This record gives sequence, structure tokens and C-alpha cells, in this order.
Amino acid sequence: DAGVIQSPRHEVTEMGQEVTLRCKPISGHDYLFWYRQTMMRGLELLIYFNNNVPIDDSGMPEDRFSAKMPNASFSTLKIQPSEPRDSAVYFCASSLLHNTEAFFGQGTRLTVV
Amino acid sequence: GENVEQHPSTLSVQEGDSAVIKCTYSDSASNYFPWYKQELGKRPQLIIDIRSNVGEKKDQRIAVTLNKTAKHFSLHITETQPEDSAVYFCAAGATGGGNKLTFGTGTQLKVEL
Repeated sequence: DAGVIQSPRHEVTEMGQEVTLRCKPISGHDYLFWYRQTMMRGLELLIYFNNNVPIDDSGMPEDRFSAKMPNASFSTLKIQPSEPRDSAVYFCASSLLHNTEAFFGQGTRLTVV
Repeated sequence: GENVEQHPSTLSVQEGDSAVIKCTYSDSASNYFPWYKQELGKRPQLIIDIRSNVGEKKDQRIAVTLNKTAKHFSLHITETQPEDSAVYFCAAGATGGGNKLTFGTGTQLKVEL
């Protein structure tokens, strides 16, 4: 398996535009997580899914953020409209079972200007 | 919810010395404690983890200890090498909470020649 795959690797967009980040988890993994990493706040869990169902979205900062997992092999994180303070590295991770290793993707570096 | 505190935020050691990073957690239900290493511009990667039924675990130059009573756990790196330079994150998770991990704020370790 190629690991968790995220796209794009880098995204630069103007304030107010819609941004969609994509993630393909490791095949067979039941859990998928979206994290945001900034210097100020470190690694923050935004939302996670179990068997494609959102379990906890309490980390989603605002209604501008939404996430979907239409099937076991694909998830999206959407920001609409984007703002400069959304600039961060967004990581997707997946794991097989409860409390086992979470494998991270390479991340998407988002810059909102 | 879970709160994980990590210290120090930066740590500089001489090559060959030992490095110790400490974390505390708040939720007594947490039973899984992984440590991740993140090199500059890369994804976080698991280096070692420990579960609450074990007090210590060792893997070559890396060891982790857990004190459930005091709710703290530590990462020990012996005979440090320049390639150990990275940001290290501790995390805590509970089976009852799915696989939701709460991360510490990270420790920037620099190993100097």
C-alpha cells in the first residue's frame, strides 16, 4: 500500500474562495482523521470518521469547514469561504482499529492570501 | 475532554547525551500513549507507543515510561544522534472514545555535534 495519500500537496488561494482537500486512506483502515497543524496551536483534531460515519466533529472550528467520507477510500475537507487564518498544514491520517498506529499522509500546505 | 501537556517545548543536547520529554494527561480513561516524530516538512510518524497495562517499553535507543497514578508519561532517547533532531509529539487516547488522539504541543529536539 502506498500509505495515506493527500492532494494537493500545496494550495494557494485567495480569501473567499472555496478550498477542497482530498484524502485516500490506507485500504482496510476503519478510522480516518483530519488534523490541522499550526505553529500556534500544534496538531488539532478537526474531525474523525469510523466506517465512513463522522463520529466527532467537535474540533471543526466553524461552519465554514465541512468534511465528508462518501466511501471507504475517499474523504474531503472543504473550507468555504476560506480566510487567511485558515492557513496551515492539514493532515489526514488513518488507522485500523481502536488505539492503534495512526498513519499520516504527507499533508496539504494551505495558504490563503 | 482530554488535555495533554508536554514539556519542554525546546530541548538542546550534545550528541551522545540523553534526552527526556515529559507529558501529562488529564483523562483517567486514556489507555493508549503514542509518540510521534516529525522531521521538518514531513509527516508525523510513530516511533513508539505504550498501553496502560505496561509501565515501560523500550526499542533500541528509545524508551517510554508510564505512570498511570500520576497521569504522566515520558520519552527517553539515549545516545542521541544528529538524525534524532526533530519535533516530538506525545498523545493520549482512550478505547472508549474510539481512536481519538489528543496531542501535546510538541518538543523541538536539537542534537548538536
